[in-house]
Amino acid sequence: DTGVSQNPRHKITKRGQNVTFRCDPISEHNRLYWYRQTLGQGPEFLTYFQNEAQLEKSRLLSDRFSAERPKGSFSTLEIQRTEQGDSAMYLCASSLKNVRTQYFGPGTRLLVL
Amino acid sequence: GEDVEQSLFLSVREGDSSVINCTYTDSSSTYLYWYKQEPGAGLQLLTYIFSNMDMKQDQRLTVLLNKKDKHLSLRIADTQTGDSAIYFCAEKGYALNFGKGTSLLVTP
Repeated sequence: DTGVSQNPRHKITKRGQNVTFRCDPISEHNRLYWYRQTLGQGPEFLTYFQNEAQLEKSRLLSDRFSAERPKGSFSTLEIQRTEQGDSAMYLCASSLKNVRTQYFGPGTRLLVL
Repeated sequence: GEDVEQSLFLSVREGDSSVINCTYTDSSSTYLYWYKQEPGAGLQLLTYIFSNMDMKQDQRLTVLLNKKDKHLSLRIADTQTGDSAIYFCAEKGYALNFGKGTSLLVTP
């Protein structure tokens, strides 16, 4: 399978715990994006990388959220001190630099109890 | 940001055509997209249209773009039960701005 992959697919955690999600983009895609989707809503942009550089962060990305893409390949999204409001589907997408079409992974569904 | 507007629900009979409408906000969007999401899954890119086009056809899918009114539509011909899903339109560049999605229900 050469699509975008995300792990884990599901995560249940208790409020206050830290969680980390991983995204592996389509190989050779140098842009990688994170979105959050809550129930009944469309995805909302969080941040994106071009290679290892994080080029933009949405105001939705509070200080408790941090994303990295250290070698310009896979990316991790960490949420510290999770809150119930963080419960959502976290989606990763990738694209080539000069191609606007983004391809999405299956998402990681987070439930904070 | 401003909201991309979509009707929330559409029900059609199998074999009929479905038309899903969207009003977008950013007239400078170079591309406009339609994504499909099945229950519990990620988003599947269905099709997209370049902003200097009025229409794009791709097998059973037809996209119409009215730039003056910032209106985008997706027509699915010969709708099948497997087309039941949520359809999102999206605008802008790298930071896609999505509507809330239209739930399409196809009944036998």
